[in-house]
Amino acid sequence: DAKTTQPTSMDCAEGRAANLPCNHSTISGNEYVYWYRQIHSQGPQYIIHGLKNNETNEMASLIITEDRKSSTLILPHATLRDTAVYYCIVSTGNQFYFGTGTSLTVIP
Amino acid sequence: GAVVSQHPSWVICKSGTSVKIECRSLDFQATTMFWYRQFPKQSLMLMATSNEGSKATYEQGVEKDKFLINHASLTLSTLTVTSAHPEDSSFYICSAIKQGSIKNQPQHFGDGTRLSIL
Repeated sequence: DAKTTQPTSMDCAEGRAANLPCNHSTISGNEYVYWYRQIHSQGPQYIIHGLKNNETNEMASLIITEDRKSSTLILPHATLRDTAVYYCIVSTGNQFYFGTGTSLTVIP
Repeated sequence: GAVVSQHPSWVICKSGTSVKIECRSLDFQATTMFWYRQFPKQSLMLMATSNEGSKATYEQGVEKDKFLINHASLTLSTLTVTSAHPEDSSFYICSAIKQGSIKNQPQHFGDGTRLSIL
């Protein structure tokens, strides 16, 4: 599976949009981009996934570049409860190999 | 929803004992479950893929005789850490994919089991 690169940490003001980038330049044509988050001492929580089109659900939006080499997860109005480690994973839908993720801190 | 439950959530035991961790899909059937391990301040590391009715597939470097996986039904997979030692202390997390899902459906994770070996 393709490797992903994410910034180690980010801060975001409460109520503002949080934009979390992910690079996956070696992604193959049949690999999807998945986003999860993990709050301390809990299991990862699914957020969203997509192949090549932009996706939106009640939690977030996923923007995938046309060449699919990078993507951005957008939390439209960050709250304190969005403080977590966010993982970007590319996979064909079987095994997930987690990278180091981005530690997002939402600041009051 | 897609709820995955792990039991126990926390266990402490003496070195040399074996510990069994259960992973259940509560509201769906799962043909495939996965087991991960996470050390403090590190990311999740995939240990093995568990398919119902067949032997698990282990990732490179994971001892299959040390970490026994059984997936006897469509809603239950178990991980047994045999002859556990302090270095096996970790956070163990399972995940499951719904049976019959179209390809690329997400994995649903349990809340993990914190294992401490004294």
